[in-house]
Amino acid sequence: DGGITQSPKYLFRKEGQNVTLSCEQNLNHDAMYWYRQDPGQGLRLIYYSQIVNDFQKGDIAEGYSVSREKKESFPLTVTSAQKNPTAFYLCATSDGGYTFGSGTRLTVV
Amino acid sequence: GEDVEQSLFLSVREGDSSVINCTYTDSSSTYLYWYKQEPGAGLQLLTYIFSNMDMKQDQRLTVLLNKKDKHLSLRIADTQTGDSAIYFCAEKRASNYQLIWGAGTKLIIKP
Repeated sequence: DGGITQSPKYLFRKEGQNVTLSCEQNLNHDAMYWYRQDPGQGLRLIYYSQIVNDFQKGDIAEGYSVSREKKESFPLTVTSAQKNPTAFYLCATSDGGYTFGSGTRLTVV
Repeated sequence: GEDVEQSLFLSVREGDSSVINCTYTDSSSTYLYWYKQEPGAGLQLLTYIFSNMDMKQDQRLTVLLNKKDKHLSLRIADTQTGDSAIYFCAEKRASNYQLIWGAGTKLIIKP
């Protein structure tokens, strides 16, 4: 079945650590996106990539980094510079319409 | 402003119709979307409407678009407990094709 796989589903991070969230797709979509979701707020765009080896900052890119070495994969690293990383992170792909993964919940402990 | 606005909560009785409202800002937006999010899950596309339409119906769902007022609504007929979720409105900007999201409306079903 075609789809988007985000892993892990739950992730705990200690203060000062970097962590990487995985997003893999087999939909053959060129565009991939990372969003952050906080309670009572809409989705906020962190980074997006329209094509392999290229990506752009979204509205809240500070403290995050990405890579797009393969069409299928768009990992997001939450660095220690991100001061409030506890949130629900959603990966999406697009070929016009948007398809979402099931999300990763990151908690700082 | 740049915001897409929705009420945060809507409470309806099972079997009644639910109407979730959204206002958007960009009159040149090409598509407007409704997504559904169940607890702990990703977003699922429910329906969308192209900006040159004023209504779209799909089974229990009816989308109404008032382009003059930049107002979008989603009506769910015969609301069931399985409809309990957060509903997000989003507009696709013509300038950069990015989606701008509302904060989501939590639909609460009363027995």
